[in-house]
Amino acid sequence: GAVVSQHPSWVICKSGTSVKIECRSLDFQATTMFWYRQFPKQSLMLMATSNEGSKATYEQGVEKDKFLINHASLTLSTLTVTSAHPEDSSFYICSARSDRYKNIQYFGAGTRLSVL
Amino acid sequence: DAKTTQPPSMDCAEGRAANLPCNHSTISGNEYVYWYRQIHSQGPQYIIHGLKNNETNEMASLIITEDRKSSTLILPHATLRDTAVYYCIVRPLNSGYALNFGKGTSLLVTP
Repeated sequence: GAVVSQHPSWVICKSGTSVKIECRSLDFQATTMFWYRQFPKQSLMLMATSNEGSKATYEQGVEKDKFLINHASLTLSTLTVTSAHPEDSSFYICSARSDRYKNIQYFGAGTRLSVL
Repeated sequence: DAKTTQPPSMDCAEGRAANLPCNHSTISGNEYVYWYRQIHSQGPQYIIHGLKNNETNEMASLIITEDRKSSTLILPHATLRDTAVYYCIVRPLNSGYALNFGKGTSLLVTP
């Protein structure tokens, strides 16, 4: 199957700072990338959908000015959590899909964000 | 996407087959059944998908009933590393939309 790399796997930051998370499709060009958030003992919740070269589409209730998504190439998408606060502490997961792989979504390993 | 119903939790002894059921009574003709799993603190992992025929790969088998209203994911010889939350998702093959995760089934494989 396809490989999606997510970095960093774990990050701690101070309240008010910004954190950038990278998501790369290593062996395929991703038509679309997705960003999810998962709180403890809950299921994954979609934050936004990102297509290369166009603006991301955010789910209702997700602040686009706080969670900046850049999808500059077919293999890289980034999520920047701006002015992070403790309530932003969560597990962030990206995924990518490709026509090459029958539109199956492949996921990164996730990023654990802790805001102090 | 059609709604799915899964039991919240299941246990399975190591080495035995784990059979995870999923009901999807409102499935449409063009919708496939996908299975993913999420091991604790990791991203979800694709397992298998199918339309109406039974499917098998190196990880699992997928049995879909003739009326397509339910399916079963079979892990033939469960190991402790198969302990995870398993998600059954129904959607069209060429859907460009994100996967919608429900609550899934928490499978515990015991020694």
